[in-house]
Amino acid sequence: GAVVSQHPSRVICKSGTSVKIECRSLDFQATTMFWYRQFPKQSLMLMATSNEGSKATYEQGVEKDKFLINHASLTLSTLTVTSAHPEDSSFYICSASGGINSPLHFGNGTRLTVT
Amino acid sequence: AQKVTQAQTEISVVEKEDVTLDCVYETRDTTYYLFWYKQPPSGELVFLIRRNSFDEQNEISGRYSWNFQKSTSSFNFTITASQVVDSAVYFCALSASSNTGKLIFGQGTTLQVKP
Repeated sequence: GAVVSQHPSRVICKSGTSVKIECRSLDFQATTMFWYRQFPKQSLMLMATSNEGSKATYEQGVEKDKFLINHASLTLSTLTVTSAHPEDSSFYICSASGGINSPLHFGNGTRLTVT
Repeated sequence: AQKVTQAQTEISVVEKEDVTLDCVYETRDTTYYLFWYKQPPSGELVFLIRRNSFDEQNEISGRYSWNFQKSTSSFNFTITASQVVDSAVYFCALSASSNTGKLIFGQGTTLQVKP
């Protein structure tokens, strides 16, 4: 069964609104979670590393004020797309690992459509 | 810089055929990890294998096998006796030893298995 749960799986929102996506590790604690973005028919690109109890680390070119990340507990990280625009429409997917010797598991992803 | 190249964009085979998906990587790290993930049409990423750079043994898991050749920086994936359910996008990925959660993905290979 899934070890990383992501919610919602699909969301449609209007331009200018904000959307929150949740990522939960179900049977392990994850001090670090990762957020990826995938445009249609393209590869996955790491957006940011979410660190429990501290600020997220963003990859170059990713606006931290646009993509707010909160990792308030060892099993939950949230990504909020603020003031969404149509170009933010994408597939967002999170991942987490139970430790250095554990495989990286991905959530089922969230397909965001901004109209 | 780290890079993963999957030169095959799309492959189409007939059921029961064997198929090999190529993956070539670039890294200056002496310790690193290589991965294969499967992404079916539903979107989730399914973990298939993780291999560290010190383990060049080939691996077989059912109909799946992987050939790691450090000399050619390749980590190819073979599906034997392909089935329609194998149809998906397959991603090869690389991570540095210091952070196995930060993956560099290849562009992916779309595999279509026809009945």
